[in-house]
Amino acid sequence: QVQLVQSGTEVKRPGASVKVSCKTSGNTLTKPYIHWVRQAPGQGLEWMGIINPSGSSTLYAEQFKGRLTMTRDTSTSPFIMELSSLRSEDTAVYYCAGQSDYPKGGFEIWGQGTAVTVSS
Amino acid sequence: QSTLTQPASVSGSLGQSITISCTGTSADVGGYNFVSWFQQRAGEAPKLVIFEVDARPSGISNRFSGSKSGNTASLTISGLQGEDEADYYCSSYTSTSNWVFGGGTKLTVL
Repeated sequence: QVQLVQSGTEVKRPGASVKVSCKTSGNTLTKPYIHWVRQAPGQGLEWMGIINPSGSSTLYAEQFKGRLTMTRDTSTSPFIMELSSLRSEDTAVYYCAGQSDYPKGGFEIWGQGTAVTVSS
Repeated sequence: QSTLTQPASVSGSLGQSITISCTGTSADVGGYNFVSWFQQRAGEAPKLVIFEVDARPSGISNRFSGSKSGNTASLTISGLQGEDEADYYCSSYTSTSNWVFGGGTKLTVL
């Protein structure tokens, strides 16, 4: 069973960038596609984008294009989500979620979440 | 980005059944069988309870079931238990290869 472990809490100034990592552990024969989903305080879930297992292909939600970058350098390195030009509305918990049989199967495993606070 | 439409809240008594609806369009819920449901307890990450409209992941109780008719998907929880109290979200694949979530439904077990 693959598990996803995310990096820790971040506090950023408006206009800065944040990087959140998501590391897979467990059965490496199961190579998941990784989604990034965020949840603002007291709000619902918002899909941000997806990256394939090798990191060679990405797809971003329209509202994040130009500010969002998802990467993975090698097949064993963590997945990275970088959001730039941060504003207060980007304050949220950011989750990575894995899907092994894309587009089937659903978002079957989730990271523990990374809280990002944007404040001056 | 539009979200799928869910009721803000539902409630039910212990042992009863409840159904949560999730309404989209022919470009998402109605067009694909890639509809999922997630349970999110307070302070926790979401957990997949239904995928591909009506399939249950290993370890999920058979009290959880899913269905779809046209542009509306539904999650039914039977034999309500206190541990079912949580927020529930639907999601769907879309015609633009994106994914979209519902606004979430708060389930209260009376």
